[in-house]
Amino acid sequence: AAGVIQSPRHLIKEKRETATLKCYPIPRHDTVYWYQQGPGQDPQFLISFYEKMQSDKGSIPDRFSAQQFSDYHSELNMSSLELGDSALYFCASSGVGKPPETQYFGPGTRLLVL
Amino acid sequence: DAKTTQPPSMDCAEGRAANLPCNHSTISGNEYVYWYRQIHSQGPQYIIHGLKNNETNEMASLIITEDRKSSTLILPHATLRDTAVYYCIVRALTSGTYKYIFGTGTRLKVLA
Repeated sequence: AAGVIQSPRHLIKEKRETATLKCYPIPRHDTVYWYQQGPGQDPQFLISFYEKMQSDKGSIPDRFSAQQFSDYHSELNMSSLELGDSALYFCASSGVGKPPETQYFGPGTRLLVL
Repeated sequence: DAKTTQPPSMDCAEGRAANLPCNHSTISGNEYVYWYRQIHSQGPQYIIHGLKNNETNEMASLIITEDRKSSTLILPHATLRDTAVYYCIVRALTSGTYKYIFGTGTRLKVLA
């Protein structure tokens, strides 16, 4: 079965640079979630989108923005990168239907900021 | 948001059942309990979910107490590949979506 696709899988950036992470949800899924997992930490919710509209916002820095496009893929844009942004970034998707709309996670993008 | 409490770590002998407990005493009536696992920085993998009845699938069984304040994930015959961090999550409904709030999870080590 098709899974969530994330690209790139690995990314190295310098401080103050920008980065764009992409997420392609499972076909027919219309909701996308972004999570950040720092080294040795548990995943933390950043932001979610439903039908191309932002639906919820967590602890996402103002330097980050995201959107969901008409084909339901999503991009997380990160500017003025800081060392502390080094983390795993997971995207998850879920579909419309009766609850509970299980989230399925992608393999993640590992971002290293030098 | 309903919070969960899990033991930080557990060991289990290969081939034996692994029973992972989770406390969610503040769960509300329409909140589901989800279990995921994360193997070495891979994306969290869905295992099972339930509302109030016990559930079983090809990976595991989920036992939820009658008062719904706690649950147990059972891996019937643990293998070395089941070594992972297991997260018990009560799904929080906010603004129409269902973000997950991850706790610290249980680090399960399956021993040969």
